Amino acid sequence: GAVVSQHPSWVICKSGTSVKIECRSLDFQATTMFWYRQFPKQSLMLMATSNEGSKATYEQGVEKDKFLINHASLTLSTLTVTSAHPEDSSFYICSAKRGAPDTGELFFGEGSRLTVL
Amino acid sequence: AQSVTQLDSQVPVFEEAPVELRCNYSSSVSVYLFWYVQYPNQGLQLLLKYLSGSTLVKGINGFEAEFNKSQTSFHLRKPSVHISDTAEYFCAVSPTNTGGFKTIFGAGTRLFVKA
Repeated sequence: GAVVSQHPSWVICKSGTSVKIECRSLDFQATTMFWYRQFPKQSLMLMATSNEGSKATYEQGVEKDKFLINHASLTLSTLTVTSAHPEDSSFYICSAKRGAPDTGELFFGEGSRLTVL
Repeated sequence: AQSVTQLDSQVPVFEEAPVELRCNYSSSVSVYLFWYVQYPNQGLQLLLKYLSGSTLVKGINGFEAEFNKSQTSFHLRKPSVHISDTAEYFCAVSPTNTGGFKTIFGAGTRLFVKA
């Protein structure tokens, strides 16, 4: 199966600093990756869709200057939480879709838990 | 637009008992259907999917689901659960004409297996 790796799994940072989370597709090329935020005991909230070589598409209500997404290659997308504040603390998950065969299945990273002090 | 309703937020069950996690969906277009499992502090893992063909779909870890088009349901079942099945389960739909771009997730059902 297709493998997606996310790093780091856990990160603690001070308020006001920036944090970068990486999402890599290890054995396939992912032209599109998705970033989600998950609050405790809740479902996934899609934050943005990341397309290789172009600007990300953000969902309504998600601050694009706050959550910077870069998809520089077919195997790597990064999410940078800029000037993090305690309310940004959350579990962030990425997923990727494979170009072919395209069945709508998503392949998920392990998730990254961000704690902002 | 699509929507997914998972009818139970929590399902406690004893080990070796059968379980059914319910999922209903609404969509004006044809959809692919998925069940994902999430273990604590991990990402989601695909359990099974329905794309077309037989309405009974078998997945990993002994799970199966049945697509019922008339009732717009895709309930997940397992005849005998283990402690290790304790996790969060998400039902999801994706319009067939969007290739996964518009996957909608249900709110999740927490399965808690007791000894």
